[in-house]
Amino acid sequence: DTEVTQTPKHLVMGMTNKKSLKCEQHMGHRAMYWYKQKAKKPPELMFVYSYEKLSINESVPSRFSPECPNSSLLNLHLHALQPEDSALYLCASSQSQGSNQPQHFGDGTRLSIL
Amino acid sequence: RKEVEQDPGPFNVPEGATVAFNCTYSNSASQSFFWYRQDCRKEPKLLMSVYSSGNEDGRFTAQLNRASQYISLLIRDSKLSDSATYLCVVNHSGGGADGLTFGKGTHLIIQP
Repeated sequence: DTEVTQTPKHLVMGMTNKKSLKCEQHMGHRAMYWYKQKAKKPPELMFVYSYEKLSINESVPSRFSPECPNSSLLNLHLHALQPEDSALYLCASSQSQGSNQPQHFGDGTRLSIL
Repeated sequence: RKEVEQDPGPFNVPEGATVAFNCTYSNSASQSFFWYRQDCRKEPKLLMSVYSSGNEDGRFTAQLNRASQYISLLIRDSKLSDSATYLCVVNHSGGGADGLTFGKGTHLIIQP
C-alpha cells in the first residue's frame, strides 16, 4: 500500500475534454511532484511544488496545469491533450526541500487520450 | 543533459544466485542517490538510499564511489519476488525541492 494516494487510477478522455488528476498525502511532506512515464521508459519530471509554491516547471506544455491547494493536495488539470500525452502520471512527495530526501510515489493514474 | 546510465538487461538469473547492477552518473555535483524498484505497471518504490560508506539492508547492499561516479546494487540469495526493473536514481541538485533523474532501469528476471 502506498501512502500517496492518486485518483482516478484510470482515465480515458477525448482531446477536447477537461479533467483533473488528484494526489493526496498525509505524511506531512512539504514537497510534491508530478512525473510522466511512458511504457518502458523511466519517469520524467514535470513539476515540483515546495511549500505549496511551484518550484520547477520542466518546460511542460500549458495544456497541463498544476495546482497545490494545500500542503496535502496536488492536482494536475488537463485540457486539450494530445494522443502522445497518453502515459502513466505519477505523483510523489518528499519530506522537505533537502536533496537527500527520497521520494514516495503514488500508484499513478493511467491516462489514455482518444 | 544530466544523465544516469544503467545496463538495461534483461538479467536472467537463477533463484538463489547473487546479482549485481551498476550505474554511472555524469554530474559530479550530484548530492543523493537511491535505488528504486518498479514492477510491471506499478509505481516506483524506494528500495534503499545509497550512502558514501556503503549500506546494507538484508540481502541488498548498495555502494557509492563518488570519485568514479559509480553506484552499485548487490542482491544476494535472489528470490523469485526480486524480479522487477531496478532504477538508479540521482538528485543532481545542491538544494531546493528538485526532482530526481532516473536511469532507464535494469530489468531482472529470477528464474526458478
